[in-house]
Amino acid sequence: EAGVAQSPRYKIIEKRQSVAFWCNPISGHATLYWYQQILGQGPKLLIQFQNNGVVDDSQLPKDRFSAERLKGVDSTLKIQPAKLEDSAVYLCASSVTSGRQEETQYFGPGTRLLVL
Amino acid sequence: AQSVTQLGSHVSVSEGALVLLRCNYSSSVPPYLFWYVQYPNQGLQLLLKYTSAATLVKGINGFEAEFKKSETSFHLTKPSAHMSDAAEYFCAYSGGYNKLIFGAGTRLAVHP
Repeated sequence: EAGVAQSPRYKIIEKRQSVAFWCNPISGHATLYWYQQILGQGPKLLIQFQNNGVVDDSQLPKDRFSAERLKGVDSTLKIQPAKLEDSAVYLCASSVTSGRQEETQYFGPGTRLLVL
Repeated sequence: AQSVTQLGSHVSVSEGALVLLRCNYSSSVPPYLFWYVQYPNQGLQLLLKYTSAATLVKGINGFEAEFKKSETSFHLTKPSAHMSDAAEYFCAYSGGYNKLIFGAGTRLAVHP
């Protein structure tokens, strides 16, 4: 079974530029998550989709971050414009369903973003 | 609000020694708790999870964790460390709609 795929793996941009990350979850997984992991910290949930609907985006900085999952499969996370504090690893995860607190989330390798 | 605290950002052990990584949670309802491991430049991999079926949970790679409600703890242990165990370990609490709340992580170093 193929895991969660993410691209690119690394990205370096200058502040005020825009950037986009792509995620393809495990086939058949209904729920997709985007996490931000700042150096030295644990991952923090940015947004959660169930199929193509948003379940939780309470910690997404909506003035600069956006995400979509139009067909309920792959997803794109965008930052526009980027700030220095956006430097982090962006992790995508997926799970079979959602709403069940004991369900395992499967993580991709992440995209490491450096904003100069 | 739910939270997870991992005591010790860095832990160093000798190969063959006991590994103990500490995790305490704060929650007013019965928790679902997870331990994930992250190797350099990789995503997170599930080691084990507590779902109230048993207080002692066995995971992959010889790791286990014990849920202690009275101490609000879910510490991770392994009897004998291997060099390959060197990684960062995250304890996480599952909130509503399976939202994971992570601790800050503990980096484990294993030396010969």
